Amino acid sequence: NAGVTQTPKFQVLKTGQSMTLQCAQDMNHNSMYWYRQDPGMGLRLIYYSASEGTTDKGEVPNGYNVSRLNKREFSLRLESAAPSQTSVYFCAIRQAPFHEQYFGPGTRLTVT
Amino acid sequence: EDKVVQSPLSLVVHEGDTVTLNCSYEVTNFRSLLWYKQEKKAPTFLFMLTSSGIEKKSGRLSSILDKKELFSILNITATQTGDSAIYLCAVVSGNTGKLIFGQGTTLQVKP
Repeated sequence: NAGVTQTPKFQVLKTGQSMTLQCAQDMNHNSMYWYRQDPGMGLRLIYYSASEGTTDKGEVPNGYNVSRLNKREFSLRLESAAPSQTSVYFCAIRQAPFHEQYFGPGTRLTVT
Repeated sequence: EDKVVQSPLSLVVHEGDTVTLNCSYEVTNFRSLLWYKQEKKAPTFLFMLTSSGIEKKSGRLSSILDKKELFSILNITATQTGDSAIYLCAVVSGNTGKLIFGQGTTLQVKP
């Protein structure tokens, strides 16, 4: 997966619990992205970071926060998980000015 | 609102058939269109198209973009069971590199 790792691979949470999804890359790419994938809906952008120290909202940011800790790491936090956040979460990286993004293996999250 | 629509949503064919997957888009500030293949895990990059009318080809897969009519097609010839996957179309809008994805086409190739 192009040097992108995500932890954990699977997680089950109860409603109201919090957790952080971790993403790390060893490709030295500038930009990092968090997507969620739900059946029949493709992938939707949650947050992205164009470069170290910057973050911006994507299409579906509500209920999430992010931190670009350094150039390698971009974490996604759920402060109070809800069943609607049950999904598969993918981290992706990109080296500007190129457009193609490379994805990590994903985290499958279930909120009960 | 930016939108990417793929059709059909699902498709079942037999080995050896040729398939055509469609992707249409309405996106402000279009930069490029990308195709990905997803087999039960992370999407893997197939093609990127930026210019109209220029075919990209890789083995049995090929793709072309029509920027006037705002669509792209992905062709797979002589399909194999290993081609079974979800095929995702995504469009890059603006300078941030954000991808806007279609819903995906689920292709099943039967022996």
